[in-house]
Amino acid sequence: AQKVTQAQTEISVVEKEDVTLDCVYETRDTTYYLFWYKQPPSGELVFLIRRNSFDEQNEISGRYSWNFQKSTSSFNFTITASQVVDSAVYFCALIPYNQGGKLIFGQGTELSVKP
Amino acid sequence: GAGVSQSPRYKVAKRGQDVALRCDPISGHVSLFWYQQALGQGPEFLTYFQNEAQLDKSGLPSDRFFAERPEGSVSTLKIQRTQQEDSAVYLCASKRSGDYNEQFFGPGTRLTVL
Repeated sequence: AQKVTQAQTEISVVEKEDVTLDCVYETRDTTYYLFWYKQPPSGELVFLIRRNSFDEQNEISGRYSWNFQKSTSSFNFTITASQVVDSAVYFCALIPYNQGGKLIFGQGTELSVKP
Repeated sequence: GAGVSQSPRYKVAKRGQDVALRCDPISGHVSLFWYQQALGQGPEFLTYFQNEAQLDKSGLPSDRFFAERPEGSVSTLKIQRTQQEDSAVYLCASKRSGDYNEQFFGPGTRLTVL
């Protein structure tokens, strides 16, 4: 079965705190891609990052960083020094092998950053 | 350049009515996807097109749902005889060819069935 689990439904932090959003996935494929998307209140999903199953290097982009560990089937997302504008729902997603590119999403984590 | 656009943004339908939701993908994007997002949930795949060919419709919940993309550009998702459980946000996404390219999403159509 192909599945993505985001166990944290809601997280609330105060501005400037660091926060990590967890993502665990299930797949029997050896080739797959993982994604993170942000959904602000406006509703439009915004692409953040893509990672393929053969590249376990961590990635940093400004205040955002991602930790991919195949051994634990996890692809966690950390925001450093959070800001109010980071408030949104964040989705982790999986594209399985050879299925046309359809995304399998987790249930999302709603992040609220308070001033 | 222009992103993915969807219309209408909001639709209220009485139970039993038919509705049509439109998606204009990014110009030149070969693949087009439809997803359904229930309140508080992640988007769920409905169907996808490569050009005008509908290659996967495994996610359509019933035969009341069908989608088309006759000229390989604009797509329409049609729901016949709407039911209350059809209330959701319907998201459209497009991407360039290649299974693993990122998908660009439209703002969605929020459908409410009374």
